[in-house]
Amino acid sequence: EAGVAQSPRYKIIEKRQSVAFWCNPISGHATLYWYQQILGQGPKLLIQFQNNGVVDDSQLPKDRFSAERLKGVDSTLKIQPAKLEDSAVYLCASSARTSGGVHEQFFGPGTRLTVL
Amino acid sequence: EDQVTQSPEALRLQEGESSSLNCSYTVSGLRGLFWYRQDPGKGPEFLFTLYSAGEEKEKERLKATLTKKESFLHITAPKPEDSATYLCAVQVRARGSARQLTFGSGTQLTVLP
Repeated sequence: EAGVAQSPRYKIIEKRQSVAFWCNPISGHATLYWYQQILGQGPKLLIQFQNNGVVDDSQLPKDRFSAERLKGVDSTLKIQPAKLEDSAVYLCASSARTSGGVHEQFFGPGTRLTVL
Repeated sequence: EDQVTQSPEALRLQEGESSSLNCSYTVSGLRGLFWYRQDPGKGPEFLFTLYSAGEEKEKERLKATLTKKESFLHITAPKPEDSATYLCAVQVRARGSARQLTFGSGTQLTVLP
């Protein structure tokens, strides 16, 4: 079974530029997440989609970050304009409900963003 | 506010030297506790889900246990290939379909040959 795919793997931009990340979840997974992982920390949720609807975006900096999941499969995360503090790894994850009633999340390889 | 604290931050072991990693949590209504392994430059790799106190799960040299306040990841006779950062995360009972994971900062394990 193919895992979560992300691209690009690395991106370097100047501050105030814009950038977009793409994610393709595991086939059949209705729930998709974007996390931000700063060096030395655990991932922090930015946004959760259920199919193509937003479930939780309470920690998404909406003045500069946006995300969409058209057709309930692939998703894109955009930052415009980027700030130095946005330098991090952006992880996409997808999940399906287990028999135990929780969602086991499977992560992609991430996109490492460096803002200069 | 949900909190997850992992200790130690870093651990160096000799090959074959068994040890345990700790994950303590303060949450309101635990749905599940998860352990992940993360190698440099890669995304977290799922290891275990624990649902309730007293539960244990094993995979090769790893064994995860859960109490009402903490979880332990026991590593028996580790090998250099077990070197990685181990992340603990919790999922809490929430309204609607919210399923976010709250992560600890991880334990960076180094196993020396």
